Amino acid sequence: DAGITQSPRHKVTETGTPVTLRCHQTENHRYMYWYRQDPGHGLRLIHYSYGVKDTDKGEVSDGYSVSRSKTEDFLLTLESATSSQTSVYFCAISGGSYEQYFGPGTRLTVT
Amino acid sequence: EDQVTQSPEALRLQEGESSSLNCSYTVSGLRGLFWYRQDPGKGPEFLFTLYSAGEEKEKERLKATLTKKESFLHITAPKPEDSATYLCAVPSSNAGNNRKLIWGLGTSLAVNP
Repeated sequence: DAGITQSPRHKVTETGTPVTLRCHQTENHRYMYWYRQDPGHGLRLIHYSYGVKDTDKGEVSDGYSVSRSKTEDFLLTLESATSSQTSVYFCAISGGSYEQYFGPGTRLTVT
Repeated sequence: EDQVTQSPEALRLQEGESSSLNCSYTVSGLRGLFWYRQDPGKGPEFLFTLYSAGEEKEKERLKATLTKKESFLHITAPKPEDSATYLCAVPSSNAGNNRKLIWGLGTSLAVNP
């Protein structure tokens, strides 16, 4: 299994609070991705990174920001959580080829 | 526009009843087609990569095939432990430096004992 961990695995937070999710990899892969997965929508890309300090927006980036200060860590921040951001969040990594490897996910509930 | 469509959305089989899942794609310059398995509460698990029409890959009871317009995931004599959602994905036409993938919505497979 690819060495990818996500923390926390579960989180309940209140509307309006900031939340940071962490993705950590031990594979030294260049590319890292944050997705959200919702019923009926499948996997949707939030942000991705193609190197340290190199990030860009995906298709559903509003309300989210990311940072990557080290190869192994990719942080996703919900600046002010809303109920619409209740979802399961997955981190993925990719190396020299296109296939991506996924972490175990974080289940986030915004009340 | 890049697009991946999977069918059926859901499939229920009896143990031992073989069937196929379909993934049709529209993308310029295919740079691989990927199959994943996702169990409830877990992240997608990579299964196969197919690169060119006519290519086949096998793993236990699963065999993936590729044509110029679609891919099939054949499940032979399935067992209850094959129950999962199967996803397919292709690199976007302008994947370039970002390696973005276009995902299908998946087929939810249930195998009854």
